[in-house]
Amino acid sequence: GDSVTQKQGQVTLSEDDFLFINCTYSTTTYPTLLWYVQYLGQGPQLLLKVTTANNKGISRGFEATYDKGTTSFHLQKASVQESDSAVYFCALARNNNAGAKLTFGGGTRLTVRP
Amino acid sequence: GPKVLQIPSHQIIDMGQMVTLNCDPVSNHLYFYWYKQILGQQMEFLVNFYNGKVMEKSKLFKDQFSVERPDGSYFTLKIQPTALEDSAVYFCASSFGGFTEVFFGKGTRLTVV
Repeated sequence: GDSVTQKQGQVTLSEDDFLFINCTYSTTTYPTLLWYVQYLGQGPQLLLKVTTANNKGISRGFEATYDKGTTSFHLQKASVQESDSAVYFCALARNNNAGAKLTFGGGTRLTVRP
Repeated sequence: GPKVLQIPSHQIIDMGQMVTLNCDPVSNHLYFYWYKQILGQQMEFLVNFYNGKVMEKSKLFKDQFSVERPDGSYFTLKIQPTALEDSAVYFCASSFGGFTEVFFGKGTRLTVV
């Protein structure tokens, strides 16, 4: 079955620092890879989606790409702000007419100090 | 943006009792999902539901679990009877199609004592 590994459980940065979070995945299908963000007291919300290897997803200053060769995908942002403090989940989506099934990583709690 | 509402946000129940978790999905969505997150662990897929039927379920979706959405009202997850290992946060989600964005609620924290 599908699996996703997200090793960085916590990341603490200062404002304007560079953010890089990495995940690895395993699947037998052509994956759609996602990043969800969960702010305190909220449900997870979609941040970025990448459907093709080496293509870049961009949203709100965040970028994501995935590498089929190393089965890894990452999220980065050039300059984080305090408002980016949240939990970030990578996920692999398997979509068909029966519905979407998401396999999540364990999440990375990002704390940005002012 | 579109909202998925979950009621209540926290529920405490005695082991062996029945519990129903309620979800009000996005109004025009057709696919509905439940995910389970035990404290400190990954969020895991439980079940998806479309056109009145369970389309896929995981091994976490035990025989004590059931889902329904009678007449387009709340999408519910019922656990009967509850066990201590059912303590977790349960997230409801919905999507318009099988290939479209999945929207999540804030979760219901279930504590079985």
